[in-house]
Amino acid sequence: EPEVTQTPSHQVTQMGQEVILRCVPISNHLYFYWYRQILGQKVEFLVSFYNNEISEKSEIFDDQFSVERPDGSNFTLKIRSTKLEDSAMYFCASNSAGNRGNTEAFFGQGTRLTVV
Amino acid sequence: AQSVTQLDSQVPVFEEAPVELRCNYSSSVSVYLFWYVQYPNQGLQLLLKYLSGSTLVKGINGFEAEFNKSQTSFHLRKPSVHISDTAEYFCAVSDPWNFNKFYFGSGTKLNVKP
Repeated sequence: EPEVTQTPSHQVTQMGQEVILRCVPISNHLYFYWYRQILGQKVEFLVSFYNNEISEKSEIFDDQFSVERPDGSNFTLKIRSTKLEDSAMYFCASNSAGNRGNTEAFFGQGTRLTVV
Repeated sequence: AQSVTQLDSQVPVFEEAPVELRCNYSSSVSVYLFWYVQYPNQGLQLLLKYLSGSTLVKGINGFEAEFNKSQTSFHLRKPSVHISDTAEYFCAVSDPWNFNKFYFGSGTKLNVKP
């Protein structure tokens, strides 16, 4: 069964360092998403990406964040200068269509980012 | 704006007992509702979804949910749980203009005891 894979499963980084979280969406999917869950809080939408550009982003997704699909298979989330409050579980998701009712979003297993 | 409330952060239950996980939502427009499950060390997996039509929705693993518009609820139920149902369950509502932009609840940890 096709699945979304994320690496690494857990990353520890020092405050101020750059991190790149990697995702491999399902191969024929066209729409990509990042969500995050701070411990004890809700899963929050960060950004959606289609046709090599951001289609929507939340208030959380400030200039410290960027996304890229560098090679047609990976979908990455970069945080330029991490802060303690960036510690969270980050989920990647992909979908073959963005319109209503036709498909479901498939989520990866998440990357737990710990900023120390 | 859309939002979801899951009142129960943890639900302990014995094996073979029935369970109900509560979800209430708020939205100014018609909504699409979802339940996702996360097993330990795994991603979010879709259990079921309500888009339109029958208000009783059946999903995988014997789960079902009922959409109640007047009570703005979408509670998840299973008549007899198994140990393997131990997981965290997330209720979500989708953005009407960006279908896969979800607003999630805070999750309910279901702990099935033998």
